[in-house]
Amino acid sequence: AIWMTQSPSLLSASTGDRVTISCRMSQGISSYLAWYQQKPGKAPELLIYAASTLQSGVPSRFSGSGSGTDFTLTISCLQSEDFATYYCQQYYSFPYTFGQGTKLEIK
Amino acid sequence: QITLKESGPTLVKPTQTLTLTCTFSGFSLSTSGVGVGWIRQPPGKALEWLALIYWNDDKRYSPSLKSRLTITKDTSKNQVVLTMTNMDPVDTATYYCAHVAAPWGYFDYWGQGTLVTVSS
Repeated sequence: AIWMTQSPSLLSASTGDRVTISCRMSQGISSYLAWYQQKPGKAPELLIYAASTLQSGVPSRFSGSGSGTDFTLTISCLQSEDFATYYCQQYYSFPYTFGQGTKLEIK
Repeated sequence: QITLKESGPTLVKPTQTLTLTCTFSGFSLSTSGVGVGWIRQPPGKALEWLALIYWNDDKRYSPSLKSRLTITKDTSKNQVVLTMTNMDPVDTATYYCAHVAAPWGYFDYWGQGTLVTVSS
């Protein structure tokens, strides 16, 4: 199985800040990586797939980058609705795996 | 418009078998390339992928749970069923079904989830 290290696990920031979340793989996965946002009590929502492709309807302040083993999710100007938990997921090979999550909280 | 909804018991006893149904609309599991997966999330913890079934009946399972899981589809009813045997309190979680954006493996549409508690 491919192991993922997502960091940080907790991120404190303020509205308007630029933040980055990292996801590192135990082996190369090309660009087969997705990012999800999950709010309390809700199902995850797809933000980005293929490492950097924005899902339809997702605001352009979200962006993804990376390939191989190192990936980053960036939120360029935090809005109040962005405070949530974020997960990465690799779909390069089975078993599919998710990162441990990054909780983005208001500073 | 793709929608999915999970249904099943909210409480099961240890050692019992859990059966969850995912009823979907907006796509067909007889269409080439389509898949439906199951993911779970224990309270306060991360997401865990469980199983996936494709339009051609190809099935994939989490190795750590493979011996306990069975995934099936009923194309005529637009349903996917997941069974998990020998339930344990550690299996307490919210269970989600999701549409797989085949041929890729990311989940682009999710059900609302159903919380299953394992307790005697």
